[in-house]
Amino acid sequence: AQSVTQPDIHITVSEGASLELRCNYSYGATPYLFWYVQSPGQGLQLLLKYFSGDTLVQGIKGFEAEFKRSQSSFNLRKPSVHWSDAAEYFCAVGASYSGGYQKVTFGTGTKLQVIP
Amino acid sequence: SAVISQKPSRDICQRGTSLTIQCQVDSQVTMMFWYRQQPGQSLTLIATANQGSEATYESGFVIDKFPISRPNLTFSTLTVSNMSPEDSSIYLCSVEGLAYGELFFGEGSRLTVL
Repeated sequence: AQSVTQPDIHITVSEGASLELRCNYSYGATPYLFWYVQSPGQGLQLLLKYFSGDTLVQGIKGFEAEFKRSQSSFNLRKPSVHWSDAAEYFCAVGASYSGGYQKVTFGTGTKLQVIP
Repeated sequence: SAVISQKPSRDICQRGTSLTIQCQVDSQVTMMFWYRQQPGQSLTLIATANQGSEATYESGFVIDKFPISRPNLTFSTLTVSNMSPEDSSIYLCSVEGLAYGELFFGEGSRLTVL
């Protein structure tokens, strides 16, 4: 079964500073990987996804993530954080099973606080 | 993208009662997913609901506790039965986009059980 680990529960960065959120996954085959963001009181929104091809993927809101198979990682980055980026970020891995059954497993999330 | 509406957005319930959460999507979708997000925790998939068939439940979730209906391609309900304080969570409805694994979520239903 697939699993996702986000080692950082909470991260604080200054506005304008760079950001990297860590994500490690476990899955026997080539994974489908995702980053979602959840603002307070909101549902989740997809930031970016990796299926195959270029290991550096660009997403919305200036975010990018790099897939590193050797490290089983899919870290999320942003060069300059804005106060509106304060939210909770979830890494997720998807897998297909026989009969067309599909399942997306989420990590425990990283809460991002942005200070002036 | 899909627009998903959930009702109620929040509710406070008494122990032992049941609550039904509704999920309406603005387009026809094959599969709908119900997730639970307990306080301070990640999302856990409860079940997958296909129109015209029984829902598929994940390990640890049973139909008697979380009955699901899927009467058509745009609507689903999740009932939380015989509630206890441990059921206090946010319940999220989601559907898949055009790309595999790309999920669209409703804003969730925040349930507090006293």
